[in-house]
Amino acid sequence: KQEVTQIPAALSVPEGENLVLNCSFTDSAIYNLQWFRQDPGKGLTSLLLIQSSQREQTSGRLNASLDKSSGRSTLYIAASQPGDSATYLCAVEGNNRLAFGKGNQVVVIP
Amino acid sequence: EAQVTQNPRYLITVTGKKLTVTCSQNMNHEYMSWYRQDPGLGLRQIYYSMNVEVTDKGDVPEGYKVSRKEKRNFPLILESPSPNQTSLYFCASSKSGEQYFGPGTRLTVT
Repeated sequence: KQEVTQIPAALSVPEGENLVLNCSFTDSAIYNLQWFRQDPGKGLTSLLLIQSSQREQTSGRLNASLDKSSGRSTLYIAASQPGDSATYLCAVEGNNRLAFGKGNQVVVIP
Repeated sequence: EAQVTQNPRYLITVTGKKLTVTCSQNMNHEYMSWYRQDPGLGLRQIYYSMNVEVTDKGDVPEGYKVSRKEKRNFPLILESPSPNQTSLYFCASSKSGEQYFGPGTRLTVT
């Protein structure tokens, strides 16, 4: 069974600092990996999707890398803003099933 | 607008009273799935469907039923709800691995 771990569970950073969020998974036979953002009491918003054949994806201030062999992905958010405060979830798809980490809860302090 | 809709958004019910949470998508996606989100446990997959009339169990299927009679709809059925099914439920659809989530249904079973 795929296990997905996200570290740290929670972090606070001052505005302007770069954010680095880590996701690890136990089974490297994945189809893709997706990063989501979730605001309190809200649904999930897709941020970046990395197919298994890709090493990274970028969108604006966001960059996500994927290293299948070591079972790791990193989400990098440049120059954080208070509006980046949210929970970030990593999800791994394999065998038609999706496994989520428990999230990185981020607070960006103005 | 491309979207996944769920109804109802909030529901309070009593133990044993059958209920259905509807899910509909307008993107012609073949893959649909249901998740529950609980504090400390994260998001866990309940059921998924690869296409019409094709459904399969996820990680926590006990106490739930699903059906997929049309491509756009994927209802979640709780035939005899119990308090341990109190949770936040999300429906999702996907194409080429990118997941689109509904807004969530907050269910309380007393």
